[in-house]
Amino acid sequence: GAVVSQHPSRVICKSGTSVKIECRSLDFQATTMFWYRQFPKQSLMLMATSNEGSKATYEQGVEKDKFLINHASLTLSTLTVTSAHPEDSSFYICSAEVSDRGKGEQFFGPGTRLTVL
Amino acid sequence: GQQVMQIPQYQHVQEGEDFTTYCNSSTTLSNIQWYKQRPGGHPVFLIQLVKSGEVKKQKRLTFQFGEAKKNSSLHITATQTTDVGTYFCAGGAGTASKLTFGTGTRLQVTL
Repeated sequence: GAVVSQHPSRVICKSGTSVKIECRSLDFQATTMFWYRQFPKQSLMLMATSNEGSKATYEQGVEKDKFLINHASLTLSTLTVTSAHPEDSSFYICSAEVSDRGKGEQFFGPGTRLTVL
Repeated sequence: GQQVMQIPQYQHVQEGEDFTTYCNSSTTLSNIQWYKQRPGGHPVFLIQLVKSGEVKKQKRLTFQFGEAKKNSSLHITATQTTDVGTYFCAGGAGTASKLTFGTGTRLQVTL
């Protein structure tokens, strides 16, 4: 149980285009999902906390207008990178917390590797 | 803001040797979690520690949470090649669920 999927797994796009990444909890409900960014051989940096039915909470330094987050249901959160530029190229990973367990382990999706040309 | 540092950054051991990674937070934590990320993969949850001074074991892995709840360690006894990967600690603070990930320790194990 507790499987999280991400789609797409890999995307290459031209500079200036927008890219949407989906994060789904397949067999559980997730009131809260998290979006991270990871550069090669570096740690995970939390970008934002996605809350079902309300606005996302962004970490300091993360532009909310550039990284749009929508958490419309208890099993789906989306991250849209708007007007992507080469510096946005990175590994984006989402995670979800099981709703009825409170503060506990996070289940991570397989990640999406974004390359902006 | 909260910072979580890990040392060493990288360690290369021979199979059978022990390995330890240390995690230090700039602030007091409500809980500490440990994750393992294999090359090309995503983080996989290993364990969560909540109580001051807590020690938990999983087969060859021993996890410890410091008395002040600001540091933690992961010790692997008799490493195997399957232990290869990057080990991250992640600290939770207050009542929020969000985690601050440590800088990670990359473990390489050779025969």
